[in-house]
This record gives sequence, structure tokens and C-alpha cells, in this order.
Amino acid sequence: GAGVSQSPSNKVTEKGKDVELRCDPISGHTALYWYRQRLGQGLEFLIYFQGNSAPDKSGLPSDRFSAERTGESVSTLTIQRTQQEDSAVYLCASSPVGQGLAEQFFGPGTRLTVL
Amino acid sequence: AQSVTQLDSQVPVFEEAPVELRCNYSSSVSVYLFWYVQYPNQGLQLLLKYLSGSTLVKGINGFEAEFNKSQTSFHLRKPSVHISDTAEYFCAVSSSSNTGKLIFGQGTTLQVKP
Repeated sequence: GAGVSQSPSNKVTEKGKDVELRCDPISGHTALYWYRQRLGQGLEFLIYFQGNSAPDKSGLPSDRFSAERTGESVSTLTIQRTQQEDSAVYLCASSPVGQGLAEQFFGPGTRLTVL
Repeated sequence: AQSVTQLDSQVPVFEEAPVELRCNYSSSVSVYLFWYVQYPNQGLQLLLKYLSGSTLVKGINGFEAEFNKSQTSFHLRKPSVHISDTAEYFCAVSSSSNTGKLIFGQGTTLQVKP
């Protein structure tokens, strides 16, 4: 009965470095979402995966951001050439189906600090 | 496009007092509405959701919310709060026409004082 897990929990990096964040969804959940939460702000949608369908990348803020997911398992979010404005908590969520009425289950997040 | 506005960034309230956290949304299509709670140092947890049917929905920990289509609102209420309700509360919307991605409000910090 494990929930959504994310690693690392905290990441401090220097401006210009690449970082990779990992998300393990709940087993059997076909839908996976990435969100970003900047300090004092709400969550912003980044990207959505549903099975083997093409992902919805409409929320990615720039081409420095990319994400992958293999089937219905682990996902990685990669930020290249990090900037200070990338500092935020990155949250992953999974859902049994990719539909508006389905509950999303959130992981604890990865806090990224770019110096 | 959809958007969510949480009208209060912080709501201080004394223990055992009632509380209302306000949420308004904007959408050109039918929506599903959610309230999530984030306790200190924990992940987001679903409090309650409105999908269809009765406009008054009840959630965990004694919270309830009322969907008002004419006012495009989904305010969260609790008749008597506890210290343990201190947390960040997020209102969110999705629709049947998208992939389930949630559009969140800015969040409201509920501070319950003894």
C-alpha cells in the first residue's frame, strides 16, 4: 500500500547544472502528473502522462524542462542549465485514470534550490 | 481557459470558531472542483470533491463545501476548528474536457490559535 514516492527529497544545485528528479507512482495508476510549487504560490501544472499516449507537455515553462515515463512506471523530470527561478518544490501525482473526476494522489515533493 | 482564485491568503481564527475559506473559479466548460490540504511538512491530501449531484459535499475532518454555479464559487467551511486544522488549503478545478490536470488557486493558510 505504498503511496507516491519522490527522490531526492531535497536538492541543492548550482546555477547552470542539470538536475534529475524521480517519481514512483502508485502501482496500477496509469496517469502521472508533475506540478511545480513556487514559494507562496499555488501549484502549476507541468506535464501529464497517460499510459503509452503522447504526453501533454503544455505546462512546461521552457525547453530546458523535459520528462520521461516508461510505460506506467517511474517518471523522471529533467531540468537542464538550471536557473534561480527554477527553485521550487516539484510535486508528482498519480491517478488510476487520466480523467478530470479522478482523485490525484500526491507525493511528498522534491525541494529544489538553485544557488 | 480555467482559473481559480482564493480570496484570502491567510485566515487566522481561534480554536472552536467557525471558518470559511473562499474559492471562486472561471471556466467555459463544466468543471469538477476539489479542495486539497497540505499539513506542515506533509504532502497534499484530498479533503473533498464535487463531481455532480448534490451541491453540498462533505469531506474528511468535518469539512464541507458548497458548489454555487451561479456565483462560480466553491467555499470551504467548518463549524468548529481545531488546532490540528492549521495547514495550507488549496482549491482546484479540472474538467471533463481535459486530461485531469488540476488548475490550483494560490492557497489559503489557515492559522488556528488557542
